[in-house]
Amino acid sequence: GAGVSQTPSNKVTEKGKYVELRCDPISGHTALYWYRQSLGQGPEFLIYFQGTGAADDSGLPNDRFFAVRPEGSVSTLKIQRTERGDSAVYLCASSLISGITTGELFFGEGSRLTVL
Amino acid sequence: QKEVEQNSGPLSVPEGAIASLNCTYSDRGSQSFFWYRQYSGKSPELIMSIYSNGDKEDGRFTAQLNKASQYVSLLIRDSQPSDSATYLCAVAMDSNYQLIWGAGTKLIIKP
Repeated sequence: GAGVSQTPSNKVTEKGKYVELRCDPISGHTALYWYRQSLGQGPEFLIYFQGTGAADDSGLPNDRFFAVRPEGSVSTLKIQRTERGDSAVYLCASSLISGITTGELFFGEGSRLTVL
Repeated sequence: QKEVEQNSGPLSVPEGAIASLNCTYSDRGSQSFFWYRQYSGKSPELIMSIYSNGDKEDGRFTAQLNKASQYVSLLIRDSQPSDSATYLCAVAMDSNYQLIWGAGTKLIIKP
């Protein structure tokens, strides 16, 4: 596609429920990142994929969070037993190679998650 | 803990003036520095990157880096109302794909 696509754009759920957030990166981009952004804060790193594998998942806050990218393109962020503190905008970004060497991450519009 | 600090603002600048945004970072090993612009309710977009000491100019934007002082800045000349946004500073070590982000400075350009 022309840009990074994220769905849903908004998700409201109840505490304890399971949520999946989807990211479709720019075609051909091998690097994919998930970030979380709270109001008035910068993005917080969650996980980085290079191809199909999670090269670094050190930013995932706990074992309720998991992400996959089975075919090296679309990625899904999965959150189990959601808590109110999980409420944030979840941003996905992709880049042609490692984002740092090119300096440019292309972000999707984000998925706003609200846990009631 | 690696940190990137920015004044949260808001920074109010008259239209046509120069807007100066500042960022300091804690990790002396940092090698790559980026400025992203984020409009309200939108995602960040890269506007400038800088890797070596000195100035880098791109149109109305100039990024300045001083590694000795651990300081990076962004100057916006001839500020326009459309420049009103939050500007995020992001820093990375050369071999590390993880960007460390500041909280951003909100810039308001007054017509």
